[in-house]
Amino acid sequence: QKEVEQNSGPLSVPEGAIASLNCTYSDRGSQSFFWYRQYSGKSPELIMSIYSNGDKEDGRFTAQLNKASQYVSLLIRDSQPSDSATYLCAVNGGGTSYGKLTFGQGTILTVHP
Amino acid sequence: DAMVIQNPRYQVTQFGKPVTLSCSQTLNHNVMYWYQQKSSQAPKLLFHYYDKDFNNEADTPDNFQSRRPNTSFCFLDIRSPGLGDAAMYLCATSQKTGAPYGQYFGPGTRLTVT
Repeated sequence: QKEVEQNSGPLSVPEGAIASLNCTYSDRGSQSFFWYRQYSGKSPELIMSIYSNGDKEDGRFTAQLNKASQYVSLLIRDSQPSDSATYLCAVNGGGTSYGKLTFGQGTILTVHP
Repeated sequence: DAMVIQNPRYQVTQFGKPVTLSCSQTLNHNVMYWYQQKSSQAPKLLFHYYDKDFNNEADTPDNFQSRRPNTSFCFLDIRSPGLGDAAMYLCATSQKTGAPYGQYFGPGTRLTVT
């Protein structure tokens, strides 16, 4: 089982719709969770972080965390073509992985006009 | 603006010819990381430094080495690049390790091996 697994995608949504990106993780000791956006040929950009169960909103982005289910999600409201990118879920692990980010394989999102 | 800078942005080297990639940061972060990212793959951690404490991932090839002469700078040395080392090399920083500190990436260096 992969340590951090994301919905495989690619995900295609129309402009203005809600894009939903999902991520599950295997390390129950994980403490913090991050979403990165990566445009083709560019480096990852940190867009959201979440540490407590529940929702965290920042503009059009909402991160959701459920530690009991080991599940993290990112919702993008009013999706724009400029949101088209690969979204990487990253988990800061516990135990021997403390302080290290484990990345999922990424979900490619395309927002079409 | 505080940032993570990588030089060069593009590097072409010959098979077996040593190459050094550099990273500098103005964020005054304690931790610096080096990742390798190949096409359509997740970033793979090679090393990280907490201040001067060096941490090597178990599966990082011996061909890769790193130096951190001071808080602001970190270097990645590839002693004998092979064709399989062609990738994007990403430097990242964080204030500390662990929650709640995220990592901030530089623009990357695209390495081509001919």
